[in-house]
Amino acid sequence: KAGVTQTPRYLIKTRGQQVTLSCSPISGHRSVSWYQQTPGQGLQFLFEYFSETQRNKGNFPGRFSGRQFSNSRSEMNVSTLELGDSALYLCASSLGPGGHNEQFFGPGTRLTVL
Amino acid sequence: AQTVTQSQPEMSVQEAETVTLSCTYDTSESDYYLFWYKQPPSRQMILVIRQEAYKQQNATENRFSVNFQKAAKSFSLKISDSQLGDAAMYFCAYRQTTTGGSNYKLTFGKGTLLTVNP
Repeated sequence: KAGVTQTPRYLIKTRGQQVTLSCSPISGHRSVSWYQQTPGQGLQFLFEYFSETQRNKGNFPGRFSGRQFSNSRSEMNVSTLELGDSALYLCASSLGPGGHNEQFFGPGTRLTVL
Repeated sequence: AQTVTQSQPEMSVQEAETVTLSCTYDTSESDYYLFWYKQPPSRQMILVIRQEAYKQQNATENRFSVNFQKAAKSFSLKISDSQLGDAAMYFCAYRQTTTGGSNYKLTFGKGTLLTVNP
C-alpha cells in the first residue's frame, strides 16, 4: 500500500507570491492534517480535513488556507508569502478524525521563501 | 491548552547502550494518547510507540519502551541496545480522545536530537 505522498518535495518562492502544496493520503484514509515545521516554532498544527470539510484550524493567519477533494486528496495554499513561511510542511493522513486513528506522515514539502 | 515539553534538546548514546528520552505534558483531560515519533534525516516522520492514557501498563515495541507516569504527567522513552539507525530527532506528542471533542490535532514537543556513537 502506497504511503502518503506530497508534491512538490521542494519549492522556492519569493515574498509576495502564493504557493499551493498537495497531499495524497493513503488509500482509504479520509482524514488529512497539515503541520508546519520550523526550527524556531517546532511542529505546529495548521488544519484538519475530513470528508471535504475543515474540522479544525490552528492559530495561523488567513493567508493559510486549504481544501479537500472528494477523493480525499488535500491542498494547502499560502498567499502573499513572507520570509517566515519558510518551513517544512507535513501532511498526515488517517482513516478518520478520531483520536484513536493513527496519523501517517508524508515526506513533507520544503518551502523556501526568498 | 495542552503543552508538551522535552527538556533535552540533544542526547547521545554509545551503540548497544540504553538511553532514555524525557517528556512531560500538561493537560486537564483524562483520556488521551501519547506518542513518540522519530524523524530521521530523510524527514519522514515515523511512529515509534504510543500509549493510551487509560492503560496503566507501559507500552513496549521491541527495543523501545515507555515509562508512563500519569499522575506526574511524564512519558519517557527508553531505547535499549541502541543502533546506528536510531539516530534521529525524536518528538513526544499528545492527542486527546475525549468523546465529543472535535480537535484531534497532535501537539508536539520541540524534539530531542539523538546521536548514536559507534
